[in-house]
Order: sequence, then C-alpha cells, then structure tokens
Amino acid sequence: GDSVTQMEGPVTLSEEAFLTINCTYTATGYPSLFWYVQYPGEGLQLLLKATKADDKGSNKGFEATYRKETTSFHLEKGSVQVSDSAVYFCALSPNGSGNTGKLIFGQGTTLQVKP
Amino acid sequence: DADVTQTPRNRITKTGKRIMLECSQTKGHDRMYWYRQDPGLGLRLIYYSFDVKDINKGEISDGYSVSRQAQAKFSLSLESAIPNQTALYFCATSDPVGTTTDTQYFGPGTRLTVL
Repeated sequence: GDSVTQMEGPVTLSEEAFLTINCTYTATGYPSLFWYVQYPGEGLQLLLKATKADDKGSNKGFEATYRKETTSFHLEKGSVQVSDSAVYFCALSPNGSGNTGKLIFGQGTTLQVKP
Repeated sequence: DADVTQTPRNRITKTGKRIMLECSQTKGHDRMYWYRQDPGLGLRLIYYSFDVKDINKGEISDGYSVSRQAQAKFSLSLESAIPNQTALYFCATSDPVGTTTDTQYFGPGTRLTVL
C-alpha cells in the first residue's frame, strides 16, 4: 500500500543553518504531496504542497520539489530560525478514481533550532 | 475564532469508561476526519465522513465509533476505553468539491489518557 517515510529525528540546528528533512514515498498513480508543520501545543498546519511531478511548493522560506524519478519530496530551508522549531510531517494524498481525500502521513521529524 | 474546534482539549479517564470527543467546524466543509497521533508513528486515520450520511472506516477503526450529527459536527467515541488508546486525537476537515487534491485543516487536538 501507499506509504511515506521520513528521516529520523530529532534534528538540532543552530539559527541560520541550512535545513533538509528527507521524505520518500511509495504510491501507485500520481499522488499529491504535502508538508505539514505542528508547532508545540497546536494542531497541524499546511506548510506547502505539490500536485504533480517537478512542481515546487514553497512557503515561509521552505521549499520542496516533487521528484517522481526518486519518489521524494525533501523539505529545505536556507536559513532556519528559532521560531521554526516544530514537528514536520510529510504526507501524500492518493489521486485518481479512488481518491478519498485521505492523507497518509510519515512519522514526523522534530526540528529544534538553537539560538 | 478557530475554524476547527475540539472538545475537550485534555481528558484523563479510566479503563472501561465510555468517552466522546467532539469536533466542530465553521469552514462549511463536507469532509471530516479523525486521526490519532502516537510518538514515532505519525498520524493514522480512524474514521472519515464525506457527508452526514456517509461514514467510512480508516486504517485503525477497531475500538472506536463515530457520529456525524450535522455537516459541522463529527464526534468520536471510545465505547470502552483501554490504555493503548492513550494518544493525541485530531479532527480535520477538507473540501475537495471542484478540486483534484485536498488540503486538510486540523483542530488543536485532544490529549486523551486512559489509566
């Protein structure tokens, strides 16, 4: 079945460092891909998404490119801030005639940014 | 005011008790979802509903039931709570009408502890 795998956390960085959180997926057809962020004590918020191969999603300085050839959707940010400390979830939504709108999540990666 | 609200935010209960978690939304969305979050496992889908008359099981529905009282309300019940149902529970909504992908909007979560 469809699945999402994220890199193990926690990831600890200093402020202004470069961030990469790896995400790979297994899916039939052409899923849509998402990154959600969960700040401490809050629910998940959509960070960015991409709906087809080679699309780049971007928001708040974060970027991720839908790579069908490597089945990846890695999250990157050039310069992280303390306020980026959160849990990041990669997710996919299967498309096609069987689309039910369900999201399949990775296990989440905790990011801690130190001043 | 928040678009998706959950009550209660925290609940401690004992094994064997019946518990209901409630979710309300003001987004006017047709689709609603219940997930549970466990450390290291990401979010897993319990139940989802496309409208008041359409309720479907997710991947981990055993031990849970749901009720869609209205478009705006979707409740999750644990008929006889057990300790391994201790988790963070999230409600989410989405509106895919006219779209091919879904963005889900999450509530703040309910932290449930079963002793």
